[in-house]
Amino acid sequence: DGGITQSPKYLFRKEGQNVTLSCEQNLNHDAMYWYRQDPGQGLRLIYYSQIVNDFQKGDIAEGYSVSREKKESFPLTVTSAQKNPTAFYLCASSLGTGGEAFFGQGTRLTVV
Amino acid sequence: GENVEQHPSTLSVQEGDSAVIKCTYSDSASNYFPWYKQELGKRPQLIIDIRSNVGEKKDQRIAVTLNKTAKHFSLHITETQPEDSAVYFCAARGGSGGYQKVTFGTGTKLQVIP
Repeated sequence: DGGITQSPKYLFRKEGQNVTLSCEQNLNHDAMYWYRQDPGQGLRLIYYSQIVNDFQKGDIAEGYSVSREKKESFPLTVTSAQKNPTAFYLCASSLGTGGEAFFGQGTRLTVV
Repeated sequence: GENVEQHPSTLSVQEGDSAVIKCTYSDSASNYFPWYKQELGKRPQLIIDIRSNVGEKKDQRIAVTLNKTAKHFSLHITETQPEDSAVYFCAARGGSGGYQKVTFGTGTKLQVIP
């Protein structure tokens, strides 16, 4: 399965609550990414990290936060400030920033 | 930042025909162009990629061409089969200041009609 695991697969959140999506990889990859996938909009980059303790905003970072305390882990927090959080979230990792990206199976977040 | 446009958004072909998906990018410094296939309910997976020092790359029924001057790159699938039905994403790697990121196109839903 490519060694990158996202959990949970489905997540429901009440409006006003923060929620954290998990992403773990055992591929020894330096770079990790979070993408949001909406119908007709492809994959949009939320945050990415090239190395432990360092991360950069992507194209749609508002309302999201991340941490990279360990090489294997890159959790994404969807905060209450994210106006439209219902979406499919994909985590990915690559050996370097330009190499093949391996994706997790995704987390479908629904705000109820 | 990088902007990647992908066309068409949907494509239907008869089994055995060819399919072509086209992408343009904006950052002339982009140097890596992967293509991903996402089957329904599954994760995207790399099917082919090309680097900026190469004009064309082939892998069995799949080929990718790159025109750096025009900032175009295309995916060609020949002898299409029903299992080729999926959403295909192009992408381009660009960036500056030591931070490079991959920007994706909006996807093409390919339907191969048996």
